[in-house]
Amino acid sequence: GDSVTQMEGPVTLSEEAFLTINCTYTATGYPSLFWYVQYPGEGLQLLLKATKADDKGSNKGFEATYRKETTSFHLEKGSVQVSDSAVYFCALSDQNYGGSQGNLIFGKGTKLSVKP
Amino acid sequence: DAGVTQSPTHLIKTRGQHVTLRCSPISGHKSVSWYQQVLGQGPQFIFQYYEKEERGRGNFPDRFSARQFPNYSSELNVNALLLGDSALYLCASSLGVVRDNQPQHFGDGTRLSIL
Repeated sequence: GDSVTQMEGPVTLSEEAFLTINCTYTATGYPSLFWYVQYPGEGLQLLLKATKADDKGSNKGFEATYRKETTSFHLEKGSVQVSDSAVYFCALSDQNYGGSQGNLIFGKGTKLSVKP
Repeated sequence: DAGVTQSPTHLIKTRGQHVTLRCSPISGHKSVSWYQQVLGQGPQFIFQYYEKEERGRGNFPDRFSARQFPNYSSELNVNALLLGDSALYLCASSLGVVRDNQPQHFGDGTRLSIL
């Protein structure tokens, strides 16, 4: 079935460092791809999304490009801030016909800690 | 506008008991989905409801059930609780059925602990 694999965390960076969180997926069909962020004690917030190959999603300085040839959707940010400390989830929309179609399949999450 | 609201925030139950979790979607949203997030893992899809009908079901046992009311709020029920049901339960709402790629908006979740 469809699945998402994220790089293992935790990731610890100094403020203003460059961030990359790797995400690869396995899917039938052409899923939409998402990055969600979860701050401590909160639910998930949609960070960015891409709905087709070569689309670039971007928001708050974060960006990710839908790469069909490498089945990847890596999250990047040029200069992280302490306030970016959170858990980041890569997800895809289930394209399999059936009861779960359209709902989200998540990776295990990557915890990011940014030190001042 | 209020976002997705869930109640209660925290809940402690013992094995074998029953629990009901509640969710109010964003105003105007007609679809509600439920996810289970076990500590250290990503959320897993449980149910989707749209216009009061079940539109999707994940790979969860029959102990899990849900319903949606005419005002589009929803309840998730879990019977015969097991230790493994301890998790954060997330509710997400969207305008339409999610297979139309409608974005989902998540609440802060209910933290369920089973003793």
